[in-house]
Amino acid sequence: NAGVTQTPKFQVLKTGQSMTLQCAQDMNHNSMYWYRQDPGMGLRLIYYSASEGTTDKGEVPNGYNVSRLNKREFSLRLESAAPSQTSVYFCASKDNTGIAAFFGQGTRLTVV
Amino acid sequence: AQSVAQPEDQVNVAEGNPLTVKCTYSVSGNPYLFWYVQYPNRGLQFLLKYITGDNLVKGSYGFEAEFNKSQTSFHLKKPSALVSDSALYFCAVRAAGTYKYIFGTGTRLKVLA
Repeated sequence: NAGVTQTPKFQVLKTGQSMTLQCAQDMNHNSMYWYRQDPGMGLRLIYYSASEGTTDKGEVPNGYNVSRLNKREFSLRLESAAPSQTSVYFCASKDNTGIAAFFGQGTRLTVV
Repeated sequence: AQSVAQPEDQVNVAEGNPLTVKCTYSVSGNPYLFWYVQYPNRGLQFLLKYITGDNLVKGSYGFEAEFNKSQTSFHLKKPSALVSDSALYFCAVRAAGTYKYIFGTGTRLKVLA
């Protein structure tokens, strides 16, 4: 019973490098989300996808792009990483009949 | 716009004593309210939710929360705290009919033996 799986768990990037954070859920959920968690700021929504084929900006989308590859997968891309993007990134999913969102274990990203 | 406030960065309580972690919210329309818990180096785990109905909702690990519409609050409570309850707690709101979950800044609960 995997739930929401994120890869990688840890990553160190140099400023200007690009990378993609992967997220997959095996619960047949329609909606998926990307959040970042920073000390003292809680979780802030980066992007979300209400259903396959749709994506929308959240509170802090600048510097990120997303792809809803299929119903299972929702990736987050940093085209040119900056130190301000050092954070812990969480992916979550929710189905249309459920109410609560379920979270992955997180990706700890450091940009140096 | 939706928002959530958790006014306490940290709450300390002695083991066996009751605990309360505070949350107030602002949302247009009917709110769906949630509590999540995060242990070190882990993702967020769902604790409980309020959708409609009884203002007192019960969740996992003996936690409960009280919805108060007039005070726009959704405080998390437990009658008798355990050391193992020590963690970071997040309150969240989602307006009915929308997809966005908005989280508070979190409250660190420390239960002292």
